[in-house]
Amino acid sequence: DVKVTQSSRYLVKRTGEKVFLECVQDMDHENMFWYRQDPGLGLRLIYFSYDVKMKEKGDIPEGYSVSREKKERFSLILESASTNQTSMYLCASTLGSSYEQYFGPGTRLTVT
Amino acid sequence: GQQLNQSPQSMFIQEGEDVSMNCTSSSIFNTWLWYKQDPGEGPVLLIALYKAGELTSNGRLTAQFGITRKDSFLNISASIPSDVGIYFCAGPHTGNQFYFGTGTSLTVIP
Repeated sequence: DVKVTQSSRYLVKRTGEKVFLECVQDMDHENMFWYRQDPGLGLRLIYFSYDVKMKEKGDIPEGYSVSREKKERFSLILESASTNQTSMYLCASTLGSSYEQYFGPGTRLTVT
Repeated sequence: GQQLNQSPQSMFIQEGEDVSMNCTSSSIFNTWLWYKQDPGEGPVLLIALYKAGELTSNGRLTAQFGITRKDSFLNISASIPSDVGIYFCAGPHTGNQFYFGTGTSLTVIP
């Protein structure tokens, strides 16, 4: 059974803190994605990665960075969290050129 | 980036009713995807459409790829309580990037 796991389901951080969101997939997928989900806005792509150590900006990369040191793991980093980064964060992966994205359960981040 | 607009934004229906929702884009897409997100979970792919005019079913779900390639439709027949969730359309951009719609939230009243 395919699986994408995210390190936390709920997270509360203070403004200015450095935040790490971890995502791991066990399907040997090449492609991994980070989205944020906000009511009325759908899912917006933050960053994605086609391979180890490779990253590409999505539509809303400002205030975020990513790291992919191993194929199965894709980390999202908020260098200095701000209240407007309070959101649901979803990680996904795909195999090769497949359109089917497998999503993790999401991390609901609150920045106070 | 590209915006995919979904309508309606939310729906409250009685169990057993049929549901219709749509997704429109200002650009042409060659593939349309429909996902469902259960409460507290990540989205899961329901149906993929690859050809203009295509009509595809998955159980009680039927989706259509609009002939203009700028829209897609999802119908759910005889709704049941487990149909509750948020339904998203999506279309691939360059490579394996995707644009997702704004979502339709469905509530089914038993």
